[in-house]
Amino acid sequence: NAGVTQTPKFQVLKTGQSMTLQCAQDMNHNSMYWYRQDPGMGLRLIYYSASEGTTDKGEVPNGYNVSRLNKREFSLRLESAAPSQTSVYFCASSYRWRGLTTDTQYFGPGTRLTVL
Amino acid sequence: GIQVEQSPPDLILQEGANSTLRCNFSDSVNNLQWFHQNPWGQLINLFYIPSGTKQNGRLSATTVATERYSLLYISSSQTTDSGVYFCAVDLWETSGSRLTFGEGTQLTVNP
Repeated sequence: NAGVTQTPKFQVLKTGQSMTLQCAQDMNHNSMYWYRQDPGMGLRLIYYSASEGTTDKGEVPNGYNVSRLNKREFSLRLESAAPSQTSVYFCASSYRWRGLTTDTQYFGPGTRLTVL
Repeated sequence: GIQVEQSPPDLILQEGANSTLRCNFSDSVNNLQWFHQNPWGQLINLFYIPSGTKQNGRLSATTVATERYSLLYISSSQTTDSGVYFCAVDLWETSGSRLTFGEGTQLTVNP
């Protein structure tokens, strides 16, 4: 099993450009998440998808959109990148039963994004 | 929202020493997880521990949910233990479950 995979690993954008970060998991998890991590800080939740077909805002959703393409894939889109979105982005997945996370979240390796 | 506070923010140890990291949270939670972020940025699951005590090799964790804290113990530390340790709590709301992270404890283990 590859676990949680993310592409790309690194990306540099100019202000105003758009891009999509891809995430896939092969653990048959029903819930997936996108976080950002700024220097010296913990992770903050951007969006999550409790199950296929649903998405919800997290703590810092402004400037982002997400798509739960199928059970395996969850993408994060920046429509018009801004320097404040320079960060490391992590995707994660977990299994939830009756709305509760019943096991740990598993994280991908991260995407380091720089917006100039 | 829920507050998660970790202490100490920084910790420097000599190889072989023991340490205790603490996580306090401000509200009732459904579960709590500990992660290690290595110097390359990779996040590694350590424990899923909503309550009670668990052990995995030199690491162990205890969560006392009624008193809203969790402790991570590292015994006989090694240089490979260096990195940032995060506590994260899972708060169930009507819209679903979401994970809130503390700011982490930066651990440096010197040879």
